[in-house]
Parts: sequence; structure tokens; C-alpha cells
Amino acid sequence: QVQLVQSGAEVKKPGTSVKVSCKASGYTFTGYGISWVRQAPGQGLEWMGWISVYNGNTNYAQKLQGRVTMTTDTSTRSAYMELRSLRSDDTALYFCARGVAVADEYYFDYWGQGTLVTVSS
Amino acid sequence: SYELTQPPSVSVSPGQTATITCSGDKLGDKYACWYQQKPGQSPVLVIYQDAKRPSGIPERFSGSTSGNTATLTISGTQAMDEADYYCQAWDSSTVLFGGGTKLTVL
Repeated sequence: QVQLVQSGAEVKKPGTSVKVSCKASGYTFTGYGISWVRQAPGQGLEWMGWISVYNGNTNYAQKLQGRVTMTTDTSTRSAYMELRSLRSDDTALYFCARGVAVADEYYFDYWGQGTLVTVSS
Repeated sequence: SYELTQPPSVSVSPGQTATITCSGDKLGDKYACWYQQKPGQSPVLVIYQDAKRPSGIPERFSGSTSGNTATLTISGTQAMDEADYYCQAWDSSTVLFGGGTKLTVL
């Protein structure tokens, strides 16, 4: 069965960086993209960007351009999201999700369990 | 920038039909999908390509689009359907989420 298992919770100080991992199993890793979505406490879902596992192409949300980097390692079937220059408003639950691209649609059929990142001095 | 607008909350009595809308400019020209998120859990895809249900999603969940509005309908709503629901679309290589609707089953 398809599973996305994320790394554990992180507590970071403002100005530092965090790198969250997402290990995939149960499907052909290179056949799908991976997106990262975050959710601040009590708030809605915010798309951060996606990466093509097949060729490494990325597209980041404009709001996060310059602070986020998404990568994958096909040898370990893992995806990574690094966010730099952390601020208190980056405190959120971070999800990885498997992206399905069909015609003019892109949706997420499987999600990781979420990784809580807390930014606090 | 493109936005998807959902009502913040919807209430429904058990057994009745719940309707959640999602509106956006030219949404009818795009596909919409819907996610259910219960407290402390990851989102779950309940509708994709406007009206298709993934395997394992009960038939009481259905989707439709008309003009610039996508609609999620839950027929015979059950207490277990109480959750936050998010619409999502794809535009100019960017994923957009609606602000979410809290469904309360009274």
C-alpha cells in the first residue's frame, strides 16, 4: 500500500533552517510528483511547491521563492523540503503529498502524517 | 492572484444533505477536487476531476461544477462527516486551495 512517512517534529530558532523528509513506499517513486503543503495552527492549507521526482523540476509558491528548496533522492525513495531564514509565522504542520497530474488537473491522492515545525526563540 | 472562495462554515442535521461551495474566476474551465480533514489528521481526497470518487470514499459524497462554482454534496450526512473540507484547483502550474469550510453535523 502507498505510504508517505515523514520525519519527526522540529523546534527551531528564528533565522535558522529546517529540513523535513518524506519517505515513500508502495508505488513507483519516479512515476509521481511530490508536493509540500503546510498548515499553520488553526488555519487552512497552503501549497508550498512541487517537485518532479522523474526529472527534478521544481515549482515553488511565489511567497516562498528564495527560502525553500525541494529535492528528492531516488536511491532512498525520499523527498526533502528545506526552509531557510525561519520566522515565527513558519510555525506549522508540514505535509508531503503524492501528486497526480492528469490533463489539466493536479491533485493529491496520498498524504504524509505531517511534521510539526515550531519556530521560537 | 487567483483565489478560491469557500464559506467558513456549514451546518447540517444528521441524515440531511450538506452542500459546500467553492467559487473562483473561470473555475468551470478547470478541474476541482475536494479534501476532508478531521482534527489531528492529514487531509483525505474525497472528490477529484470535479465529480470522481476515489476508491473507498462513500457514495454519499459527490461533486459537481456549474459556471464558476464547484460544489461538494454529502447526501445523508453522518456524524462522522463532521470535518473541514477544502477545495483545490490547478492554475498556471500552481496549486490553489480554498480557505476551507467547517462542516458541523448538529
